[in-house]
Amino acid sequence: SYVLTQPPSVSVVPGATARITCGGDTIGIKSVYWYQQKPGQAPVLVVSDDSARPSGIAERFSGSKSGSTAALTISRVEAGDEADYYCQVWDSDHDPVVFGGGTKLTVV
Amino acid sequence: QVEVVQSEAEVKRPGASVKVSCKASGYSFSNYGFSWVRQAPGQGLEWLAWVSTNNANKNYARKLQGRVTMTTDTSTSTAYMELRSLTSDDTAVYYCARQRYPSTAMDVWGQGTTVTVSS
Repeated sequence: SYVLTQPPSVSVVPGATARITCGGDTIGIKSVYWYQQKPGQAPVLVVSDDSARPSGIAERFSGSKSGSTAALTISRVEAGDEADYYCQVWDSDHDPVVFGGGTKLTVV
Repeated sequence: QVEVVQSEAEVKRPGASVKVSCKASGYSFSNYGFSWVRQAPGQGLEWLAWVSTNNANKNYARKLQGRVTMTTDTSTSTAYMELRSLTSDDTAVYYCARQRYPSTAMDVWGQGTTVTVSS
C-alpha cells in the first residue's frame, strides 16, 4: 500500500514559522491535501490541491511540494494553531485515499 | 450554511453491526459523494470507504471489504455506513466527510460518531 511519512511531532515558539513535511514515493504527481485536527474536534481542511487555501483559512497557512516531499508551512504561529496535522493523497493503485500518520504541532 | 450532522454514539457487543448516519444540508446533495474515516483512541485517521450519492460508485479500503456497506438516500440527503461483525478493534470515532470524488478534498466533515465495541 502507498505510504505517506510525517514526523510525529514539531515544536515551535509563538511567532515563528512551523514546517510540517509529508514524504511519499511519486507524491510529485499527486494532489496533496492537509487537515488540521484540534483535540476533541473533527478535522478541518486547511490546504487543498498542494497549495490552495479554502475559504476561511488564514493566509498564514500555505502548502508546497518539491521532489518526493510536500510541506505545510504555518507562518507567525499562534497558540491556537496547536493541533494534529495530517496530509492525504489519492492513490489509484491501492486504497484510493491515504493519510499520513499525523504530526502533532506543539507551540511552546 | 453547509453542514453534515452525524448520528449519536453507539455501544455494541462483539459480533454485532452498527449503522451510522450522516445528514447533509446547505448544498446540492447529489453533487458530492462521501468518504467515511475513523480514528481509534489515540491514533491517526484511517480512510474506510467512499460512495457517490447515486450509490453507483463505491470504493472500499481493502482491510474492510466485505464488512462495510455504504448507502445514500437522496430523499433525505443522508448517507449511511453499516459495519458488521464488530470487534474491539472497531472501537473508534467515525467521521463522514463530503468529498466530490475520491481524488478530491474532504471539505466538510461531520462532528463524529463514537462507536464502542465492548462485551
